[in-house]
Amino acid sequence: AQSVTQLDSQVPVFEEAPVELRCNYSSSVSVYLFWYVQYPNQGLQLLLKYLSGSTLVKGINGFEAEFNKSQTSFHLRKPSVHISDTAEYFCAVSGGPFNQGGKLIFGQGTELSVKP
Amino acid sequence: GAGVSQSPRYKVAKRGQDVALRCDPISGHVSLFWYQQALGQGPEFLTYFQNEAQLDKSGLPSDRFFAERPEGSVSTLKIQRTQQEDSAVYLCASGARGETQYFGPGTRLLVL
Repeated sequence: AQSVTQLDSQVPVFEEAPVELRCNYSSSVSVYLFWYVQYPNQGLQLLLKYLSGSTLVKGINGFEAEFNKSQTSFHLRKPSVHISDTAEYFCAVSGGPFNQGGKLIFGQGTELSVKP
Repeated sequence: GAGVSQSPRYKVAKRGQDVALRCDPISGHVSLFWYQQALGQGPEFLTYFQNEAQLDKSGLPSDRFFAERPEGSVSTLKIQRTQQEDSAVYLCASGARGETQYFGPGTRLLVL
């Protein structure tokens, strides 16, 4: 079975400061890893994904994440945040393509609050 | 192009009523997923379709929940005899053959 733990439920940060949102996963098989962002009253938008290859993944809006297999982590980072980054962020894992266990298992979410 | 759309966006139901939630996936996407997101939680998997075939329904919480996708495009999630614990946001996602799911805006269901 797979599971995802997001270590911080809330992360307050000042505008233009760096931020790291932490995510750890557990799985007995190779995984795909994702970060999604959810703005109030909206659906989930894909920020970035790791499928294979380079462990440093770059996404939209200046976000990046690093896959660390030995630590089973996939932390999300941004060097300088904006007010508009205020949202809920979800880390998710899947066991492979859609027809091979591709359903997403989500963490509980991290609320990023960027203050001026 | 158009993304995933869901209707209605908001639904208020009295306990015991039946509800039907609709999902229009991105055109050409063969895979379709339903998730349930309780307040303050991450989404939880309900069911998965590949074209019209329901390949995984392991996440449906009870036999009151039923999903269909008869022509391999639009999908409907039906909840019979709604209970207060069914109150949640129901998210639909679609994808091409692969691994990336694209989500709709969700339907917020409130059962009174």
